[in-house]
Amino acid sequence: AQSVTQLDSQVPVFEEAPVELRCNYSSSVSVYLFWYVQYPNQGLQLLLKYLSGSTLVKGINGFEAEFNKSQTSFHLRKPSVHISDTAEYFCAVSALTGANNLFFGTGTRLTVIP
Amino acid sequence: KAGVTQTPRYLIKTRGQQVTLSCSPISGHRSVSWYQQTPGQGLQFLFEYFSETQRNKGNFPGRFSGRQFSNSRSEMNVSTLELGDSALYLCASSTGVGTEAFFGQGTRLTVV
Repeated sequence: AQSVTQLDSQVPVFEEAPVELRCNYSSSVSVYLFWYVQYPNQGLQLLLKYLSGSTLVKGINGFEAEFNKSQTSFHLRKPSVHISDTAEYFCAVSALTGANNLFFGTGTRLTVIP
Repeated sequence: KAGVTQTPRYLIKTRGQQVTLSCSPISGHRSVSWYQQTPGQGLQFLFEYFSETQRNKGNFPGRFSGRQFSNSRSEMNVSTLELGDSALYLCASSTGVGTEAFFGQGTRLTVV
């Protein structure tokens, strides 16, 4: 089975400052890794994903994440945040084979302060 | 192309009733998954359907069921509703394992 831990439930940050949202996972099998964003009263939108290859993954809206296998982490970063980045962010994993379902972390509420 | 469509967007039901939610996936996507989102439990996997067959099921009671039609549209049903079933139910479609899952806007179910 897989599990995901998002260490920070809320992260306030000033506009144009950098941000890092932390994600650690646990799995007995190899996994794919994802970051999703959820705006109020909306579904989830994929920001980026790691399937294989380069451990630094670039996504939409200027976000990037780095896969660290030894630390079982997949932290999300953005060098300069905007007001529009205020949302809930979810880290998720799924197994490479077999079950096509996502295991989500509990989410991090990012609030960008003007 | 059209995204994942979930209907209805909002529902209010009474304890003991049953409810059916609908999900139309992106054209060409044969995998449809359902998730329950609540403030206390977060996002939890309900089940996944692929080509009309349930491939995976999460840890939910038998009151939660689903099905998928030949056109890949999916429905989920919850019988004998309980207050704790109040949640945002999200549907996601994809082409398969490891591919991007596209989510609908969800159905907000309130049980009173």
